[in-house]
Amino acid sequence: SQTIHQWPATLVQPVGSPLSLECTVEGTSNPNLYWYRQAAGRGLQLLFYSVGIGQISSEVPQNLSASRPQDRQFILSSKKLLLSDSGFYLCAWSSSGGWGEQFFGPGTRLTVL
Amino acid sequence: DQQVKQNSPSLSVQEGRISILNCDYTNSMFDYFLWYKKYPAEGPTFLISISSIKDKNEDGRFTVFLNKSAKHLSLHIVPSQPGDSAVYFCAASGGDAGGTSYGKLTFGQGTILTVHP
Repeated sequence: SQTIHQWPATLVQPVGSPLSLECTVEGTSNPNLYWYRQAAGRGLQLLFYSVGIGQISSEVPQNLSASRPQDRQFILSSKKLLLSDSGFYLCAWSSSGGWGEQFFGPGTRLTVL
Repeated sequence: DQQVKQNSPSLSVQEGRISILNCDYTNSMFDYFLWYKKYPAEGPTFLISISSIKDKNEDGRFTVFLNKSAKHLSLHIVPSQPGDSAVYFCAASGGDAGGTSYGKLTFGQGTILTVHP
């Protein structure tokens, strides 16, 4: 069966510090991968998606970047965090040939102080 | 531009009664719709989906209805249970005539469902 992991679960970082959140998927190959952010009291905003190694599409301009160094690894990064980067970050995967069901990881709670 | 809207931020229902969660969309190219359930500090869990070629899909206590002409879908939970209390998100995919949406989902803002014992 497929599983998706995210770490860390929670993170408190000062403004201006770098960020690296990692997501890995097991039990499937060549998945589509996604990064979402849920700000307090709001819905899920798609940040990045990837259909293959090294292929990243950005949905919104922002202070963040994403990379996919391996087939089942997706990384969200920032060089300098802003206060507005605080939120709940979710990684998800879907089958490249599927209808669109996405399966989410447990999420990372990021607080920027 | 909010292409998927859940206009009710919250819904309160008595245990055993029906919960009806609503969702509207504006993009007529959407062809697949999903409902997710989310507990605090956890990732959303897929509940049920429906393609645009159907108007109803049922799975146990959960039924999703799609009205394409009205660009409206709803999730019915019968009977509602206290464990159903969570945030419910509707989502839509498609909306890309070139077929390059790669399964991207557009989410609504969510509705907080509270089921009282």
